[in-house]
Amino acid sequence: NAGVTQTPKFQVLKTGQSMTLQCAQDMNHEYMSWYRQDPGMGLRLIHYSVGAGITDQGEVPNGYNVSRSTTEDFPLRLLSAAPSQTSVYFCASSRDRVGGYTFGSGTRLTVV
Amino acid sequence: ILNVEQSPQSLHVQEGDSTNFTCSFPSSNFYALHWYRWETAKSPEALFVMTLNGDEKKKGRISATLNTKEGYSYLYIKGSQPEDSATYLCAPYNQGGKLIFGQGTELSVKP
Repeated sequence: NAGVTQTPKFQVLKTGQSMTLQCAQDMNHEYMSWYRQDPGMGLRLIHYSVGAGITDQGEVPNGYNVSRSTTEDFPLRLLSAAPSQTSVYFCASSRDRVGGYTFGSGTRLTVV
Repeated sequence: ILNVEQSPQSLHVQEGDSTNFTCSFPSSNFYALHWYRWETAKSPEALFVMTLNGDEKKKGRISATLNTKEGYSYLYIKGSQPEDSATYLCAPYNQGGKLIFGQGTELSVKP
């Protein structure tokens, strides 16, 4: 099992560019979430999904879109990158609410 | 948005010391409480998930308790070792399905 796979690992974007951060899991987990990690702010929830076709907003959803067309994939789209979106992004998945989340290795994004 | 508070923010102990951290969260709409261990340059790893008031979980030298009525959880480490150095995160899971993390307690264990 690969677990939770995030690509790319590193990315540099120019302000205004758009891109998609990929997240895939092979554990047949229903629950998936995206977090961003910023110094002094801990992990903040961007968007989450409780199953294919179902998504909802987290704490900091502005500037990001998600979709969940399959159980395996949960891509995060940056619509128009801003320097404030410079961060490390983590994708995580769980079988249900009482299962611990498995985290991907993260994507380090820099917006210049 | 859930207000999750962890204390202390950081802790420096000597090898062999026992220590504990606190996580407080709103008790309304509660479903489960997660604890994670996060080593530098790695990804968070799940330690415990607790759901019932009075729940206690143990994994080696690490244990946790849960009080859902008053909205707090304690994480204990007995006989800390340098390899226990990490940030420990708690995250309540509410009925809506959001897992919201506290800012963590950073533990440093000196040999």
